[in-house]
Amino acid sequence: DVKVTQSSRYLVKRTGEKVFLECVQDMDHENMFWYRQDPGLGLRLIYFSYDVKMKEKGDIPEGYSVSREKKERFSLILESASTNQTSMYLCASSLLTAGNQPQHFGDGTRLSIL
Amino acid sequence: QKEVEQNSGPLSVPEGAIASLNCTYSDRGSQSFFWYRQYSGKSPELIMSIYSNGDKEDGRFTAQLNKASQYVSLLIRDSQPSDSATYLCAVTGNYGQNFVFGPGTRLSVLP
Repeated sequence: DVKVTQSSRYLVKRTGEKVFLECVQDMDHENMFWYRQDPGLGLRLIYFSYDVKMKEKGDIPEGYSVSREKKERFSLILESASTNQTSMYLCASSLLTAGNQPQHFGDGTRLSIL
Repeated sequence: QKEVEQNSGPLSVPEGAIASLNCTYSDRGSQSFFWYRQYSGKSPELIMSIYSNGDKEDGRFTAQLNKASQYVSLLIRDSQPSDSATYLCAVTGNYGQNFVFGPGTRLSVLP
């Protein structure tokens, strides 16, 4: 079974702090993704990566950055946290093949910015 | 802009009935289609994938794909209260990089 592990289930930070959300997958997947999910807005893609040190902006990259130094790890960084970044953050991974593999999600991190 | 549309619901069905969830997509080049189930406060869980036109059955779940009509559906037979969740439709092209999720349909199965 695919295992995608997010470092924290719940996190509380203060406005202006630099926040790191970590995601690790154990299935040698090339693709990794960060989403946020808010009530009524569905899943929104923040960033994705299809290889080490590669990154692509998603639909809502503003206020975020990412890092992928190793294939199994994809980090989301909130450079200066703001209250409007309070949300559920979901990491996902998938294989890069022509067979169009599904994404597999971690358990999510519920982040509160005070 | 690639779009995936679903009725937001809630869709309410009695226990034991068939629940029918629908999804339409805008990108005619889409290749693969997935259904995810998401319980409140939890992350999405893959329940079905379908790649070619027709029906695909897995237990109580049947996915149906019609590429000409750009339509994919999920049928849940003998619905149970434990099936109450939000169901997300997802569509992708080649290599999994243009993965687009629909907004989800909330299903409520009434005992």
